[in-house]
Parts: sequence; structure tokens; C-alpha cells
Amino acid sequence: SQQGEEDPQALSIQEGENATMNCSYKTSINNLQWYRQNSGRGLVHLILIRSNEREKHSGRLRVTLDTSKKSSSLLITASRAADTASYFCATDSTGANSKLTFGKGITLSVRP
Amino acid sequence: NAGVTQTPKFQVLKTGQSMTLQCAQDMNHEYMSWYRQDPGMGLRLIHYSVGAGITDQGEVPNGYNVSRSTTEDFPLRLLSAAPSQTSVYFCASSRGPSGSPLHFGNGTRLTVT
Repeated sequence: SQQGEEDPQALSIQEGENATMNCSYKTSINNLQWYRQNSGRGLVHLILIRSNEREKHSGRLRVTLDTSKKSSSLLITASRAADTASYFCATDSTGANSKLTFGKGITLSVRP
Repeated sequence: NAGVTQTPKFQVLKTGQSMTLQCAQDMNHEYMSWYRQDPGMGLRLIHYSVGAGITDQGEVPNGYNVSRSTTEDFPLRLLSAAPSQTSVYFCASSRGPSGSPLHFGNGTRLTVT
């Protein structure tokens, strides 16, 4: 069952622009993670934000978390063609035996 | 730095055949898991293991078996392949089941005819 749902499903931007991707989820979480997947490859972990954190940065990535709205956003600044990939949010829900649950992903295309 | 290694990369099976997808990690991670990725479905958890000798079912375990005899290896067995098992399979590992990033292999693309 899908916990996180990303929005939009697809995003096309020009190189140099910022890309904003959103993730909403339904139940309380311990943490939320963002992953990137290049075509034909496995997922690569980008950033993890815990439920008691509101914002984290990593290079050109900025992630926010609003637990009251059960939503997160991933901002990629000054995008590059190499950022073209699928992006997934994954939620680690509270409760016994919870497992990381992935959304369906966002396809980002950055035009050179 | 090998990380998580999956073999084979591609496989074609006929309905009813069995096979084992191999997964090995060299990071001494206790937690390992198998996902399948289908178009429009995201990643769904098949089976996972929190350590050698311990395995449990995920969201879509039917038709698959796993075992974990060592920390390094976590093979996924398809007992009697069905066309519905056509998918891309990913193995992942992490230090623990919660709060740690997953490290993924590059996947096995399986087609069942």
C-alpha cells in the first residue's frame, strides 16, 4: 500500500531553473527519505529528514517537512541536465514492524 | 567499493520455471530487503531480513522465498514463475530497518513468458 504520494507525476524544466517536488503521506512517520533513480539503475539515497526536523540541506538540495500537513517538498536549485531522473519519497511510519514505503515517483526532465 | 551486487542483470523465464536472484552486500549491513518495481506502482516490498537467520514477509510475498544464511547474502527464489512476476527486482541493504538510508543494487530485469 502506498504511503507517500509524489506530486507532480512529471516535471519538465529548463537547465538553471529550480525544480520543486512534493510528497504527501497519510500516517505518522519517524522519518522521510528522498531517492533518485537514473534510467536503468538502482535508487540512490539523497537525503533523510526526521520527524522532529523541519528543513535540511545537502548541496543543491533542500528538503522541508511539515508534519502537521503530512507533506514534504524537495527543491533542487539551479538544475542541470544530469538531474534528469525519477525521484521517490519514502516514508518510515511509526508503529511496530513498520517498513520504508515508497511513492510512485516523479519523472524530472531538465532540458539543456 | 562494490556495495550491493545483484546477478543476473537480465533473465527470461518460461512460465513454471524456477530461479534464484542473487544479492550480496559488502557493507556488513544487518538489514536487507527485496523490492519489485512495476510501471505506475512504485517499489513494493517482497521480503526482508533484519539479520542472518531472520526473514519476514513484506507487502507482496506470494510466489517468492528467501533465506539469509550469512550477513552478506540474501537470495530471492521464484518457485514457479508466472507472467505476473515480470518486473524489475531490486535488492537493498542498510544498517537497520529504520532511520538508515537504503543502498540499492542495480536491479534484475525479469521477463516471464
